[in-house]
Amino acid sequence: SDELTQPPSVSVSPGQTARITCSGDALPKQDAYWYQRKPGQAPVLVMYKDSERPSGIPERFSGSTSGTTVTLTISGVQAEDEADYFCQSADSSGTYVFGTGTKVTVL
Amino acid sequence: QVQMQESGPGLVKPSETLSLTCTVSGGSINNYYWSWIRQPAGKGLEWIGRIFTTGNTNYNPSLKSRVTMSVDTSKNQFSLKLRSVTAADTAVYYCARVFCSSTSCCFDPWGQGTLVTVSS
Repeated sequence: SDELTQPPSVSVSPGQTARITCSGDALPKQDAYWYQRKPGQAPVLVMYKDSERPSGIPERFSGSTSGTTVTLTISGVQAEDEADYFCQSADSSGTYVFGTGTKVTVL
Repeated sequence: QVQMQESGPGLVKPSETLSLTCTVSGGSINNYYWSWIRQPAGKGLEWIGRIFTTGNTNYNPSLKSRVTMSVDTSKNQFSLKLRSVTAADTAVYYCARVFCSSTSCCFDPWGQGTLVTVSS
């Protein structure tokens, strides 16, 4: 399947680590990207090509990959990190696909 | 820095055509691919298609029969038309620039999105 599956929600206390997974059969062959979307705002690219951080994105954001799963890790979570996060890749035909999305709640 | 803003009717009747425009500011529209993406309430994001500034297009196979995208470089705008809409096309529609490396592409930046409701 070329679908990308994420957990619907992740809850974390301030200062702790949040890990958001994205699973899909195409991921070993395709780069993955991560976006953050806060209510009423445009989505923002926070990770590209699995583990590269764009300029301006805090160092507490990191990415990793293992087999059919990519992971976005937020270390030392801050209240401002509360948002929806979704992954993106491409399927075998080159069609761009998105993950199901994860709501990160900072307790 | 490049910014994008979607515009168009927020309400479209069933069977009619949804039309949206994305205006790009802070940079030229030339020499990039530009995309439309949507998200129905309670569902995931869906890529609709992309257009290069020469007019070359690629569409999601699931929507290809109903979608037309166009670009107006003189106005720094690109547009989406989705024909024969139904309630299932009710969604927040985003425009975004497509940014490609040698191996893959992503979307950066995005517009804030505009809600389009299909209802009589």
